Amino acid sequence: QDQLVQSGDEVKEPGSSVRVSCKASGGSFRSYPIHWVRQAPGQGLEWMGRVIPILDDTTYAQKFQGRVTITADESSTTAYMELSSLRSEDTAIYYCARDATGDFDYWGQGTLVTVAS
Amino acid sequence: QTVVTQEPSLTVSPGGTVTVTCASSTGAVTSGNSPNWLQQKPGQAPRAVIYLTNKKHSWTPARFSGSLLGDKAALTLSGVQREDEAEYYCVLYSGGTWVFGGGTKLTVL
Repeated sequence: QDQLVQSGDEVKEPGSSVRVSCKASGGSFRSYPIHWVRQAPGQGLEWMGRVIPILDDTTYAQKFQGRVTITADESSTTAYMELSSLRSEDTAIYYCARDATGDFDYWGQGTLVTVAS
Repeated sequence: QTVVTQEPSLTVSPGGTVTVTCASSTGAVTSGNSPNWLQQKPGQAPRAVIYLTNKKHSWTPARFSGSLLGDKAALTLSGVQREDEAEYYCVLYSGGTWVFGGGTKLTVL
């Protein structure tokens, strides 16, 4: 069964970086883009970017350009999202989602990143 | 930067029909925007219900349908059930990136 399992919750200080992982199982990891989406407390969903593992191709939302890096490791079928220069407004649940055919069919369980001093 | 707009909230009675719409600041929404609809209940990850405008996932109830309505994408729920109470988000592919709408809180009562 296709599944995405994310790493655990994190607490980070302002100015630091966080890396969240997303391990895929059950499907063809190489071919499917993996999106990263975040949701601040009480707010809506926000698309951050996506990686296509087989092409090692990434696209980022303009808002996060220069601050986010999304990568994929085919050998471990794991995607990563690293966000740097963290500030309090980055406190959110971060989700990964698989894209099989222009969709967001499977989602990870979410990782809460809290930015606080 | 594209802005995607949805109704902030809608209310429907059980058994009724409701349509949630999704508009783009860049103009008419087309199939080229690959409209997706997601359902999110409190404390849960989003769940995909509609993709590529009107296609259903294997788990999508038959009462959900997607379409293009005028210059917008639309999600219609026919024969609404109490379990459909949730936040609904559309997401569009635009200018090489994906953009989420602000979400529509659907209340069933």
